[in-house]
Amino acid sequence: EPEVTQTPSHQVTQMGQEVILRCVPISNHLYFYWYRQILGQKVEFLVSFYNNEISEKSEIFDDQFSVERPDGSNFTLKIRSTKLEDSAMYFCASRGRGITGELFFGEGSRLTVL
Amino acid sequence: LAKTTQPISMDSYEGQEVNITCSHNNIATNDYITWYQQFPSQGPRFIIQGYKTKVTNEVASLFIPADRKSSTLSLPRVSLSDTAVYYCLVGPSGGGFKTIFGAGTRLFVKA
Repeated sequence: EPEVTQTPSHQVTQMGQEVILRCVPISNHLYFYWYRQILGQKVEFLVSFYNNEISEKSEIFDDQFSVERPDGSNFTLKIRSTKLEDSAMYFCASRGRGITGELFFGEGSRLTVL
Repeated sequence: LAKTTQPISMDSYEGQEVNITCSHNNIATNDYITWYQQFPSQGPRFIIQGYKTKVTNEVASLFIPADRKSSTLSLPRVSLSDTAVYYCLVGPSGGGFKTIFGAGTRLFVKA
């Protein structure tokens, strides 16, 4: 079964460093998302991406964040200057044109900012 | 976006049927009701979606009354592996660009 893959599975970084989280969505999907989940809290929407541009973003997704689909297969989330509160699990998701709008999530990238 | 309200947590025993109810009083005419399941340290996983009446698949059933202001996810004969967080989402068919997850219901299944 096709799946969304994310790398790295875990990254530890120092505060102020740049981090890039990578995702390979399911190949025929057209809509891409990033979510984050701070330990013990709910899944929070960050951004959605369609047709090579951001469709929606949340108030969390400020100027420190950016997304890119550089080569038609990868979908990346960049955090320019990490803060302690960016420590979380980051999930990538994608969906196709199916009627249910089902989101397919990756296994997540755990980011720890020290 | 319609707001949803679910119980924070529920306990059950193996083999029992579990019903999780979600309230969505301001659901719009074109909104669908979707449920996701999330295990610890994993991404959410789609379980079931419905618009009205009853929908059943190999995993669960979804009951939606005529006024659509609530819905009930029914898990038949739960096992320990059904321990997870269950999210009720309300939104347009096709998902939209901003699928929002609420706090969800933490289900604990005991032996």
